[in-house]
Amino acid sequence: DQQVKQNSPSLSVQEGRISILNCDYTNSMFDYFLWYKKYPAEGPTFLISISSIKDKNEDGRFTVFLNKSAKHLSLHIVPSQPGDSAVYFCAASEPNYTGANSKLTFGKGITLSVRP
Amino acid sequence: DAGITQSPRHKVTETGTPVTLRCHQTENHRYMYWYRQDPGHGLRLIHYSYGVKDTDKGEVSDGYSVSRSKTEDFLLTLESATSSQTSVYFCAISESWGGEIFSNQPQHFGDGTRLSIL
Repeated sequence: DQQVKQNSPSLSVQEGRISILNCDYTNSMFDYFLWYKKYPAEGPTFLISISSIKDKNEDGRFTVFLNKSAKHLSLHIVPSQPGDSAVYFCAASEPNYTGANSKLTFGKGITLSVRP
Repeated sequence: DAGITQSPRHKVTETGTPVTLRCHQTENHRYMYWYRQDPGHGLRLIHYSYGVKDTDKGEVSDGYSVSRSKTEDFLLTLESATSSQTSVYFCAISESWGGEIFSNQPQHFGDGTRLSIL
């Protein structure tokens, strides 16, 4: 049972345009969401996160939107650059009440290609 | 970059042999994790540690064991490797801030170990 779903395996956009990467989740206990970027032969790199008490978080060209009622989040990259071409993973975790840092559940990833 | 070193970076071995992967951190973070990445599955948690000698199972722990005798080192062992354990293995670390409700902090990953079991 996949709790974090990235249903589109790939996305191709023109340089300078907006990239929108989508993620859906089924576990209503999730309250912390993250996006990671991964280049080949490297580990995932943390991009941006959002807590369930917010509906938007912005960091430079990257904005994450959270729609709790729809159990949906999206990552917007504006403007897209060729260096953004990578695999993007959505991840989520449940509340952390005990000091044991929460385990992450990952989606399968989306391959973004930004065309020059 | 977070100070995380995974070794070896590549390994080829035969079915039935024991294999140990090492994760070393210089950040003094409390939490350490082992994931595997396979096509069509994203990253799946194998085991994690919340302190020295404190470990717990993740989603895909069968066939794996871990040990953490020092804060900086987290070892993943395949006691008798099988071909289904051919994968890319990632170590991650994180810290959490104290409080009434501990705030989540992102995990930071090493560059991975590519393990092939023939």
